[in-house]
Amino acid sequence: DVQMTQSPSSLSASIGDRVTITCRASQRIGTFLNWYQQKPGKAPKLLIFGASSLQGGVSSRFSGSGSGTDFTLTISNLQPEDSGTYYCQQSYRTLFTFGGGTKVEVK
Amino acid sequence: QVQLQESGPGLVKPSQTLSLSCTVSGDSISSASYYWTWIRQPAGKGLEWIGRIYMSGSTKYNPSLNSRVTISLDTSKNQFSLKLTSVTAADTAVYYCARDDYDGYYIDYWGQGTLVTVSS
Repeated sequence: DVQMTQSPSSLSASIGDRVTITCRASQRIGTFLNWYQQKPGKAPKLLIFGASSLQGGVSSRFSGSGSGTDFTLTISNLQPEDSGTYYCQQSYRTLFTFGGGTKVEVK
Repeated sequence: QVQLQESGPGLVKPSQTLSLSCTVSGDSISSASYYWTWIRQPAGKGLEWIGRIYMSGSTKYNPSLNSRVTISLDTSKNQFSLKLTSVTAADTAVYYCARDDYDGYYIDYWGQGTLVTVSS
């Protein structure tokens, strides 16, 4: 299995801040990396696919980068509605695997 | 607008079979463009991919569940289903059905999720 490791596991930031979440794969996965946002009691929502492509309808404040084993999700100008848990997911191997999640609190 | 809706018992006894269905609207499960996927999430924990099925009936399962899981299609109802046998308390989770883009390798639509509790 491809193991996905996210850091940090949680963070707290202020409105307007720029936030970065990192995800590391246990093997090279090219750009087969997706990011999801999940709010309490809701299903995950696709934000970024292919490491850097923004899903339609998603705010341009979200951006992704990276390839190989190291990836980042950046949230610019953090807003209250950005609170939630963020997961990375690799789709390089059919056994899709997810990172452990990063809980974002907006102060 | 694509919508997915899970249905099935919310309580299953240990050693029995968990059975869920996912009704798809706004798209056809016979589409060649997507896989149809099940994912679960224990309370307060992360996401675990269970498996997926393609319109041809071809399936792929998580090896950790492989011997206990079956995913099938019902094209007449535009549904796909999950069966998980010999359940234990460790199978208690919110179960999501989802659509997985065949070419894009990402999951773009999810059901709202359904909580299944395994308890006697």
